[in-house]
Amino acid sequence: GAVVSQHPSRVICKSGTSVKIECRSLDFQATTMFWYRQFPKQSLMLMATSNEGSKATYEQGVEKDKFLINHASLTLSTLTVTSAHPEDSSFYICSARRDRTSNQPQHFGDGTRLSIL
Amino acid sequence: GESVGLHLPTLSVQEGDNSIINCAYSNSASDYFIWYKQESGKGPQFIIDIRSNMDKRQGQRVTVLLNKTVKHLSLQIAATQPGDSAVYFCAENRQGGSEKLVFGKGTKLTVNP
Repeated sequence: GAVVSQHPSRVICKSGTSVKIECRSLDFQATTMFWYRQFPKQSLMLMATSNEGSKATYEQGVEKDKFLINHASLTLSTLTVTSAHPEDSSFYICSARRDRTSNQPQHFGDGTRLSIL
Repeated sequence: GESVGLHLPTLSVQEGDNSIINCAYSNSASDYFIWYKQESGKGPQFIIDIRSNMDKRQGQRVTVLLNKTVKHLSLQIAATQPGDSAVYFCAENRQGGSEKLVFGKGTKLTVNP
């Protein structure tokens, strides 16, 4: 069964709205979670690494003030797209790694399709 | 056959045939590799992984081969079924600084009944 849950699965909202996406690890604690963005027929691009109890690490070119990440507990990370515009429309996917050691697979949520009108 | 589209390479096979999906990675320092399957509208699903100290690993109906000399990874699916139709991504685990996964461009597999 699923080990990472993501909510909501789909959001449609007006331009200028802020949207929050939740990512939960279901049966394990995750000190690190990851947020990806995927455009149609393209690969996953890492946006940021979410660290429990500390600031997220953003990839080059990703605006940290635009994509706010909060990892307040060992089972929950949130991504808030602030003042969303049509160009922010995309498929956002989170992942978590079950074990803190390296060389373990990341497990993914089922994604959130964000559509900004 | 296999073709390269504008964004996503595609592979079409007949049900029951074996499928081979290829991936080239770029960083010789990568030490861990994963294959994921992504169905339409869903997140990637873990299939199989392999560490750099191995050159072959087998799972149920799937085999991953790693050739570090030419930085090439392949996924073999035996007796391909319609339920195997999806996009398949390889991912390499890059070391150094913050450890992270880097995904390949993906291959769309279509299984014809």
